Amino acid sequence: NAGVTQTPKFRVLKTGQSMTLLCAQDMNHEYMYWYRQDPGMGLRLIHYSVGEGTTAKGEVPDGYNVSRLKKQNFLLGLESAAPSQTSVYFCASRKRQGHKDEQFFGPGTRLTVL
Amino acid sequence: RKEVEQDPGPFNVPEGATVAFNCTYSNSASQSFFWYRQDCRKEPKLLMSVYSSGNEDGRFTAQLNRASQYISLLIRDSKLSDSATYLCVVNNVDSSYKLIFGSGTRLLVRP
Repeated sequence: NAGVTQTPKFRVLKTGQSMTLLCAQDMNHEYMYWYRQDPGMGLRLIHYSVGEGTTAKGEVPDGYNVSRLKKQNFLLGLESAAPSQTSVYFCASRKRQGHKDEQFFGPGTRLTVL
Repeated sequence: RKEVEQDPGPFNVPEGATVAFNCTYSNSASQSFFWYRQDCRKEPKLLMSVYSSGNEDGRFTAQLNRASQYISLLIRDSKLSDSATYLCVVNNVDSSYKLIFGSGTRLLVRP
């Protein structure tokens, strides 16, 4: 199993450009999440999905859109990138089974917006 | 006020030392608790869940105090490889789809 994978690993954008971050998981998990992590801020939830075809806003959704057309994929879009979106982006999927509850994270995407 | 608060550290300890981290949470509806570990420039990974009666996994012991709304992590006999950031994580019954992450406590274990 590859677990959770993210594409790309690194990206540099100019202000106003758009891009899509791809997250894929092969564990058949229902729940998926997009976070951003900034120094001293910890992980902040951008959007999440509780199943195929459903998405919901997290703590910091402005400037981002998401789609979950297939269960295994969760896409994060930036329509018009801003320097404030420079961050490390982590995708995660979550397994909840009885007392077990664990999030599995991808390796992250380091995004710089100039 | 943040929903989950941790001392950012860093805690700088020698190998073999015992170190303890605390974490406080503000929502009394919190129902599940976890410690995640994050190595430098890597993704977070689950270290251990925290159970009401407390639990131990090798050198790691987690405790929960619901009355005071805090969670602790004790690491005995610290190893160099324990150097990382430890994230306190909480799940609330009124928003169970989401996990709430603390900002993390950084641990440096020196030779």
